[in-house]
Amino acid sequence: GNSVTQMEGPVTLSEEAFLTINCTYTATGYPSLFWYVQYPGEGLQLLLKATKADDKGSNKGFEATYRKETTSFHLEKGSVQVSDSAVYFCALSSGGSYIPTFGRGTSLIVHP
Amino acid sequence: GAGVSQTPSNKVTEKGKYVELRCDPISGHTALYWYRQSLGQGPEFLIYFQGTGAADDSGLPNDRFFAVRPEGSVSTLKIQRTERGDSAVYLCASSPTSGGAVDTQYFGPGTRLTVL
Repeated sequence: GNSVTQMEGPVTLSEEAFLTINCTYTATGYPSLFWYVQYPGEGLQLLLKATKADDKGSNKGFEATYRKETTSFHLEKGSVQVSDSAVYFCALSSGGSYIPTFGRGTSLIVHP
Repeated sequence: GAGVSQTPSNKVTEKGKYVELRCDPISGHTALYWYRQSLGQGPEFLIYFQGTGAADDSGLPNDRFFAVRPEGSVSTLKIQRTERGDSAVYLCASSPTSGGAVDTQYFGPGTRLTVL
């Protein structure tokens, strides 16, 4: 079956530091990959997505590249801000399914 | 326009009681999803509606859980004989098309259910 593994948090960084949150997956077929973000007190929002191998999703300075050979979709940002503090969820859907499988989430805390 | 809304935002109930959780999707969205998120976990799928019908209810944990969407818009998740293990945040999401691997789901803020 499908599964998503994320690095455990919390990840604590100073403002302007480089961010990497690791995500690896197991899936049947050729999955689409997603990063969702949940800001405090708000609902989950789609941050970025990639639908085929070597695609790079990007949004708000965040990037993730779909790596089929390593079954990974690591989230990166070159310079984090305090406002990026949130919980980040990696997810996938495959086989034409509309239902994403989510990882457990990684909490990011950015200090001024 | 307005996003997905869920009511109540918090619900505290006693073991054995019946609860209803409501979801108002984005207007015009045909697909609606319910998820359950336990502390420290990602959302887990419960049920998916396409219009008025439940297209996939394979995530419902047992027959105490039931959901309806009678007019293809608002949906209600119903839990009978609640148990302490039902305590979680219940999330609703909607999407504008009939489904597919790349559809973007728009999530509501969730209802936090606590069963004492």
